[in-house]
Amino acid sequence: EVQLLESGGGLVQPGGSLRLSCTGSGFTFGNYAMTWVRQAPGKGLEWVSGATATGTNTYYGDSVKGRFTISRDNSKNTVYLQMNSLRAEDTAIYFCARETMMYDFWSAYKDYWGQGTRVTVSS
Amino acid sequence: QSVLTQPPSASGTPGQRVTISCSGSSSNIGSNSVNWYQRLPGMAPQVLIYGNDQRPSGVPARFSGSKSGTSASLAISGLQSEDEADYYCAAWDDSLNGEVFGGGTQLTVL
Repeated sequence: EVQLLESGGGLVQPGGSLRLSCTGSGFTFGNYAMTWVRQAPGKGLEWVSGATATGTNTYYGDSVKGRFTISRDNSKNTVYLQMNSLRAEDTAIYFCARETMMYDFWSAYKDYWGQGTRVTVSS
Repeated sequence: QSVLTQPPSASGTPGQRVTISCSGSSSNIGSNSVNWYQRLPGMAPQVLIYGNDQRPSGVPARFSGSKSGTSASLAISGLQSEDEADYYCAAWDDSLNGEVFGGGTQLTVL
């Protein structure tokens, strides 16, 4: 059974940093691109970042570019999201999701999602 | 302001057919396939339609998708109470080099 488990969320002050982790099980992790998607309170889904299966290529949404870094350790079946210079508007539930392709985000879709981890940026 | 435009709400009575639209541009829907996701209250999102009009196994045939030019639609026929959820369209955007979601449509079954 495919499972994705996010961790690392919590309360952080504006300007602070947090690292989210997403560990996959039940599939060959290194064969799939992975994505982070978030949902702020009262808002819709927002794509945050994606990494190809090997982690060679990474992509970011404009709102997080230059502040967030996605990486992955396929030996640990884990994808990370390093979040720096956090702002109040980064407050959201962060989901990780598995893409159906290794490299082609443009033709892929998210077939499995984690339950999410909550990030609150507040003083 | 989302790159893909969806109506914020839709409604229907049990058994009815409801359609949710998703409008984009040449750099996203016009160039790439559209996926639709459903988020039930308190649950993680799940895919309903991928590749414009394909249903994953396990998704009822009541759900269907279509795309024409820079717009896409999700149709739900034989509406059921358990279809009350938020629905999102999504597509890769070649100009932004990232994925874009619609703002979401909250479906109410009256």
